[in-house]
Amino acid sequence: GAGVSQTPSNKVTEKGKYVELRCDPISGHTALYWYRQSLGQGPEFLIYFQGTGAADDSGLPNDRFFAVRPEGSVSTLKIQRTERGDSAVYLCASSPAGGGSYNEQFFGPGTRLTVL
Amino acid sequence: QQQVKQSPQSLIVQKGGIPIINCAYENTAFDYFPWYQQFPGKGPALLIAIRPDVSEKKEGRFTISFNKSAKQFSLHIMDSQPGDSATYFCAASRGNQFYFGTGTSLTVIP
Repeated sequence: GAGVSQTPSNKVTEKGKYVELRCDPISGHTALYWYRQSLGQGPEFLIYFQGTGAADDSGLPNDRFFAVRPEGSVSTLKIQRTERGDSAVYLCASSPAGGGSYNEQFFGPGTRLTVL
Repeated sequence: QQQVKQSPQSLIVQKGGIPIINCAYENTAFDYFPWYQQFPGKGPALLIAIRPDVSEKKEGRFTISFNKSAKQFSLHIMDSQPGDSATYFCAASRGNQFYFGTGTSLTVIP
């Protein structure tokens, strides 16, 4: 069956530009997570959705970052006025109903964002 | 502040060896400790996980040892194979908050 998909796989942009990263979770998974993985580091939590609502956005680094999930399925991570420090792999994961501990997260392959 | 500390950063073993990766945490509220395996260009995949009420868990060639009093846990890979060469991440969570270690790059030499 289809896993979590993310598009684009690679995105190169210039400093100051706006970017959108898309995540298609596994069908039926109500929990969705966004993480950022810098080179040589583990994934860093950004935001968690349960259904359509952002249940926890405490990991978003600043107000340039925003994510939506309007219909409870596909999610888009939006980054305004990109900075070179935003360069990283952005990972999306989905989980069956309820999310949280004990429910396995299934990760997508990530979007590699490079800000020049 | 790093919630989960992982070591070593890299590890090289011969085929058949038993690599051991260690992690330590501070927050006693964590209630779930998964290990992930990540290949280049792929997202992490859950390998094995343990809850703090258990001291050891085995799944195939993978074993987690958990020491609640020391706030440490480790991954052991028995009879390691070249196909196990990957980056391994430990994590700790409570609710929907997951904190990952910095990763261990494992190379298994044929």
